[in-house]
Amino acid sequence: DAMVIQNPRYQVTQFGKPVTLSCSQTLNHNVMYWYQQKSSQAPKLLFHYYDKDFNNEADTPDNFQSRRPNTSFCFLDIRSPGLGDAAMYLCATSRDGGDPQHFGDGTRLSIL
Amino acid sequence: AQRVTQPEKLLSVFKGAPVELKCNYSYSGSPELFWYVQYSRQRLQLLLRHISRESIKGFTADLNKGETSFHLKKPFAQEEDSAMYYCALIGFNAGNMLTFGGGTRLMVKP
Repeated sequence: DAMVIQNPRYQVTQFGKPVTLSCSQTLNHNVMYWYQQKSSQAPKLLFHYYDKDFNNEADTPDNFQSRRPNTSFCFLDIRSPGLGDAAMYLCATSRDGGDPQHFGDGTRLSIL
Repeated sequence: AQRVTQPEKLLSVFKGAPVELKCNYSYSGSPELFWYVQYSRQRLQLLLRHISRESIKGFTADLNKGETSFHLKKPFAQEEDSAMYYCALIGFNAGNMLTFGGGTRLMVKP
């Protein structure tokens, strides 16, 4: 009965090879978030969608893009992954902006 | 700017001992505070929020606006409480975004 589903759980890509991570939700929440979490660090917000409105954090690298084709799905695209992009990527949703967030299991991205 | 500080990266206690995970915040307004927990190999999940004033799994947290703190407490720690704990803040003047503290790893020894 997972409500925020991330695929795949583990992703390996080559340096510079584009990669897409996916997230889906069954909660019908308005807001979807992408976080990057490196080892022993707190999750760092990359961007979020409030419905169809995209909001990028100021320090999110240009290399990172996102798409939300409908309420249920949100994608994280990394155009040219570098070694420093190896991390756990967390998707989260919330009903509204100030509500508690529900997290997926994350996708662990490795760069060869 | 909003900021959350968890001064302890690691807290180790024995089973049955009281535990307090510290959280301090800075925010020029009335924030909403949360504690999230991540057990080994599980997803990050909400433990409690200050407006609910609940006790979840024996944990409580009181918002102290004077000290700008939101410490998490449990009178008798259990081994299954071992996890990573994150304090987080939503500031409604800053786009309603969640800001996490650096996290505290709690280890409860038998």
